[in-house]
Amino acid sequence: DAGVIQSPRHEVTEMGQEVTLRCKPISGHDYLFWYRQTMMRGLELLIYFNNNVPIDDSGMPEDRFSAKMPNASFSTLKIQPSEPRDSAVYFCASSLLLGIQGAEAFFGQGTRLTVV
Amino acid sequence: QQQVKQSPQSLIVQKGGISIINCAYENTAFDYFPWYQQFPGKGPALLIAIRPDVSEKKEGRFTISFNKSAKQFSLHIMDSQPGDSATYFCAASIVDGVLSSGSARQLTFGSGTQLTVLP
Repeated sequence: DAGVIQSPRHEVTEMGQEVTLRCKPISGHDYLFWYRQTMMRGLELLIYFNNNVPIDDSGMPEDRFSAKMPNASFSTLKIQPSEPRDSAVYFCASSLLLGIQGAEAFFGQGTRLTVV
Repeated sequence: QQQVKQSPQSLIVQKGGISIINCAYENTAFDYFPWYQQFPGKGPALLIAIRPDVSEKKEGRFTISFNKSAKQFSLHIMDSQPGDSATYFCAASIVDGVLSSGSARQLTFGSGTQLTVLP
């Protein structure tokens, strides 16, 4: 398996524009997570899905952020309108809850978003 | 109760030395404690993990020590190498336990420790 695939790797956009980040989780994984990483706040969980259903979106900072998972192999994180303070690295991760073995989350390479 | 506190924020160690990173948690429902390693430009990757039924787990030069009563766990890197220079995150989650109000099955990460191993 190629691992968790995120696109684009880098995104530079102007304030006010819509930004869509994409994620393909590892096949067979039933959990998908969106994290945001900044120097100031570290790794923050934004939202996570179980079997394509959003379970906890309490980390989504504002209504400008939305996430969807239309099927088991694809998820999007959308920011509309984008603001400079949204600049960060956004990671998607997926996992298979293995019980005794724990729940290793596999991370993608991340999307570095810069809003100017 | 979901918070995981990590220290130190940064750590500089000489090659061959021991690196020690500490974490503390509040939620006693946590039953899975992994450490993730992140290199610049990459996503975090699982390094080693422990369940609360053991007090120590060792994999090569990496050891997790777990103190359930103190609600603390730590990562020890023996014979630290320049290639170990990275950011390390502790984390915690609930895998098998019953979810209570405010708990969830996702990983809660510490704030990270930037480790530099000098040659």
